[in-house]
Amino acid sequence: AQSVTQPDIHITVSEGASLELRCNYSYGATPYLFWYVQSPGQGLQLLLKYFSGDTLVQGIKGFEAEFKRSQSSFNLRKPSVHWSDAAEYFCAVGASGGYNKLIFGAGTRLAVHP
Amino acid sequence: EAQVTQNPRYLITVTGKKLTVTCSQNMNHEYMSWYRQDPGLGLRQIYYSMNVEVTDKGDVPEGYKVSRKEKRNFPLILESPSPNQTSLYFCASSGTNSPLHFGNGTRLTVT
Repeated sequence: AQSVTQPDIHITVSEGASLELRCNYSYGATPYLFWYVQSPGQGLQLLLKYFSGDTLVQGIKGFEAEFKRSQSSFNLRKPSVHWSDAAEYFCAVGASGGYNKLIFGAGTRLAVHP
Repeated sequence: EAQVTQNPRYLITVTGKKLTVTCSQNMNHEYMSWYRQDPGLGLRQIYYSMNVEVTDKGDVPEGYKVSRKEKRNFPLILESPSPNQTSLYFCASSGTNSPLHFGNGTRLTVT
């Protein structure tokens, strides 16, 4: 069965520091991959997606992610974190090669220290 | 503005009292779905609909019903809610080559 693993439940970084959130997926073929962010009391906002092509994907709010097929990973990065980035981040893979149904990881909660 | 609208945002009810959470989207999307979010589990799909009058079970459908009589609406029905259905619920929609677009969520508490 397909699955998504986000190994870090909680991460704390200082404002201005770089960030990398890890995501590993299980799927035999090239998947559709997504990162969503959930701010407190809010819904999920799409940060970026990978459908095909360039393995380095740029998203909103200065985030990027790199698809590495050999490692079954899709890690999210940001060079300099802002206090407003504190939120929960979810990695997701499209089920069965599609993009309508998503399989989500358990999420990584990011705290930002001033 | 493209959006998925859920109502209510917060709901507290008692075991066994039927309730409906409404969901509406204004993007003319064919695909709609419901997810529940629980700590440590991420989001799990409850039901989905490929188009009007076409619905199917997701990964955790027990205790839920849905209907899709119009393209824009996809209500979630709990005929007899139980405490284990206390959760945060999200409605989502997507179209051709369009990723899932989520509503702001409904926090349900069943006592």
